[in-house]
Amino acid sequence: AQTVTQSQPEMSVQEAETVTLSCTYDTSESDYYLFWYKQPPSRQMILVIRQEAYKQQNATENRFSVNFQKAAKSFSLKISDSQLGDAAMYFCAYRSAGDYKLSFGAGTTVTVRA
Amino acid sequence: GAVVSQHPSWVICKSGTSVKIECRSLDFQATTMFWYRQFPKQSLMLMATSNEGSKATYEQGVEKDKFLINHASLTLSTLTVTSAHPEDSSFYICSARDQIRLFGYTFGSGTRLTVV
Repeated sequence: AQTVTQSQPEMSVQEAETVTLSCTYDTSESDYYLFWYKQPPSRQMILVIRQEAYKQQNATENRFSVNFQKAAKSFSLKISDSQLGDAAMYFCAYRSAGDYKLSFGAGTTVTVRA
Repeated sequence: GAVVSQHPSWVICKSGTSVKIECRSLDFQATTMFWYRQFPKQSLMLMATSNEGSKATYEQGVEKDKFLINHASLTLSTLTVTSAHPEDSSFYICSARDQIRLFGYTFGSGTRLTVV
């Protein structure tokens, strides 16, 4: 089974500043997909960004961007210009190209200070 | 966008009774649905994968007879917690794979189960 590791249980960021969440994963496969999900206090899971492993270009969605380092098996999320609404638990997830199951990391709780 | 409706959002039941949780895809057909369990401030743990018209595939350590999953149509999957005990109290989340939207997974809003 693939292992997804998020080594930062909690991160705090000042409003309008930038925060980076780390994620590493363990796999022997070359074709897979990576995701970052946000879970606010409502507990509704929301897709933030996704990355296909075969794409070298890092994915970007507005203020959210990733740094995908395939050789290092690293997939960090950068939140720029942090807003109060960004406060949530963030999960990194992995999916093999040959399977539809998602493997989630332990999560990182992001707190945004006004 | 794709919407998954999960019902009920919360339920309290007595120990020994059964509880059914429904997960419906409202605007797309979901051939595959997933059921997760989440403890407070912890990650989502996959319990089982349900495919329309076939038996669910359970993850190791998940009791099939306790957590009954039915996926009778392309828009509905149900999870029944049978003979519930306090240790079954948790947050249960379903998600559906949208085969039209590439790589798309849509999550339900979750069900908080409390067994007393």
